[in-house]
Amino acid sequence: KAGVTQTPRYLIKTRGQQVTLSCSPISGHRSVSWYQQTPGQGLQFLFEYFSETQRNKGNFPGRFSGRQFSNSRSEMNVSTLELGDSALYLCASSILGASDTQYFGPGTRLTVL
Amino acid sequence: AQSVSQHNHHVILSEAASLELGCNYSYGGTVNLFWYVQYPGQHLQLLLKYFSGDPLVKGIKGFEAEFIKSKFSFNLRKPSVQWSDTAEYFCAVNPQEYGNKLVFGAGTILRVKS
Repeated sequence: KAGVTQTPRYLIKTRGQQVTLSCSPISGHRSVSWYQQTPGQGLQFLFEYFSETQRNKGNFPGRFSGRQFSNSRSEMNVSTLELGDSALYLCASSILGASDTQYFGPGTRLTVL
Repeated sequence: AQSVSQHNHHVILSEAASLELGCNYSYGGTVNLFWYVQYPGQHLQLLLKYFSGDPLVKGIKGFEAEFIKSKFSFNLRKPSVQWSDTAEYFCAVNPQEYGNKLVFGAGTILRVKS
């Protein structure tokens, strides 16, 4: 089975712009979670989607949003980018969510200048 | 708020040395526990997990971990490390009532000298 894929792998944006990241889960997995990884804050949970519904949300401002499509693919969007949004954004998928094992993708490295 | 503590941020060992990485969490309810590893240039991979049952769990590449409920701990061990174990190791806790949310420790960077 193919693993979790994320596109693009690298992005450079400037402050004030917006960005959309994409995640394709493992085939058959219906839950997609997003995490932000930074040297200072480590790995932090952003949100989880299951069956096109946001089921859980972390402590991030409303500039961070996401959605899930009927084929379980997910996108996350960050509007009005700030320098502090520079990070590795990781997507993880699991079969059903709800205390299930999550498998991570390679991440999208976002740099905000 | 829940937190996960990993005792050492950097560990340096020689090949064949034994490894133990500590992980403690502060959550009183039922939890699922994980160790993930991130090799240089690669993505996070699952090493092992504990959901229920035998508190001593075995994972890939000779790693094992022991869940001690009374100590809120889930320490990772390997009897003899190899140079290829050089990586960053993350302990993660999933409080069951929080759905699929993982709370990660800060990570431990392990360097194995050959």
